Formats: sequence, structure tokens, C-alpha cells
Amino acid sequence: DTGVSQDPRHKITKRGQNVTFRCDPISEHNRLYWYRQTLGQGPEFLTYFQNEAQLEKSRLLSDRFSAERPKGSFSTLEIQRTEQGDSAMYLCASSPMAGADGYTFGSGTRLTVV
Amino acid sequence: AQSVTQLDSQVPVFEEAPVELRCNYSSSVSVYLFWYVQYPNQGLQLLLKYLSGSTLVKGINGFEAEFNKSQTSFHLRKPSVHISDTAEYFCAVSEQSSGKLIFGQGTELSVKP
Repeated sequence: DTGVSQDPRHKITKRGQNVTFRCDPISEHNRLYWYRQTLGQGPEFLTYFQNEAQLEKSRLLSDRFSAERPKGSFSTLEIQRTEQGDSAMYLCASSPMAGADGYTFGSGTRLTVV
Repeated sequence: AQSVTQLDSQVPVFEEAPVELRCNYSSSVSVYLFWYVQYPNQGLQLLLKYLSGSTLVKGINGFEAEFNKSQTSFHLRKPSVHISDTAEYFCAVSEQSSGKLIFGQGTELSVKP
């Protein structure tokens, strides 16, 4: 296993366009998390899945954001009608059911909205 | 709700000097504690974690941290830093039930020759 993979690494989009990011977790990990990190800040929790169920969403996740994890494998994060304030690094992490051990982050997708 | 405060936004230090990066947290429930390092344009790498047991935790690259429950602190230390330790360091707590992480604002460690 090569760890948590995120695609694309970089995305530049025009304001108002829709974008979708993909995260492939470590195969035996049941939990998958999405975070957003803006410049000079620590990552902020967005949402998490246990298998295919989305169990919690942060208030940061506006109606323009949607995340899915069909079949409990890979996950997608879609942002509709992007705004300049959406520019950030989007990080994905996965962990086994136990949560604390084996928590692994991907390298992130850097989104720039112009 | 949990929160994390990293008391120093920037820490400049000379090579081979000791360093301490300070982290305080607040939580009404039991948590796990973590330190992560982030090099420019890279993801987060785990340095060390406290789950239970001994309050002194040793991590990678010669780093260690001490969990102090009474002071709700989890300070990171290294006795002798290298140029290659220059990076952003994040302290985090996680809820034991959900596993989600709450991060501090980060401390930029700058090691000068």
C-alpha cells in the first residue's frame, strides 16, 4: 500500500466553476477525514466518514460543499460555484476504526481560485 | 469542545541549540494528543502521539513531548536542532470517539546556522 493518495495535487479554477477532488485511503482503513488548511493556519476539520456513512460535518462545510464515499472506498469532495475564499490546501486522512493509531494524511490538493 | 493553543507563532533558534515548542489544550473529555510537522508544500507527517501510559513520549527525528494533565499542556522538545528541522509544527488533539483532529495555529521553527 502506498498510503493515502490525493488527486489532483494542484488545481487552478476560475471563480464560479465547480471542482472535484479525490482521495484514496489506505485500503483497510474504515475512517476517512477531510480537512482544509489556509495559508498560515492549522488544518480545520470539514467532515468524516465511517465506511460509506458520513457521520459528521463541520459548520465550515457550506451548502456549496459536498462529500461522498461510495462503497466505503475512495472519497470525493466537490465544491460548487467556487469563490476566492475557497483557495486552500484540502487534506485527506484515513485511519482504522480505532481512530488514534495509524492516522495517515495524504499530500493534499492545493486549490487556487482566480 | 476541544481547542488547542500554540503559544509561539515563530521560534528562531541556532543550530545545535535546544528548542521547546509550547502547546496547551482544553477539553472536557479524554483526548489523544499529537504533534505533526509540515515541510513546505508537503502534507503532514506525524512526529509523536500520546494515547495513554507514560507521560513522556518519544518520537521521530529526536523529538519528545511531555503530557501534563494538570497544566493541560503537551510541549514538544528537542535537545539539539538541525537545519533540516526548519518547518511548521502543529499540535493537535483528537476526540477519542470520532477521531477527528483539532489543530493549533502552528509554530514556525526556523533553525539558523
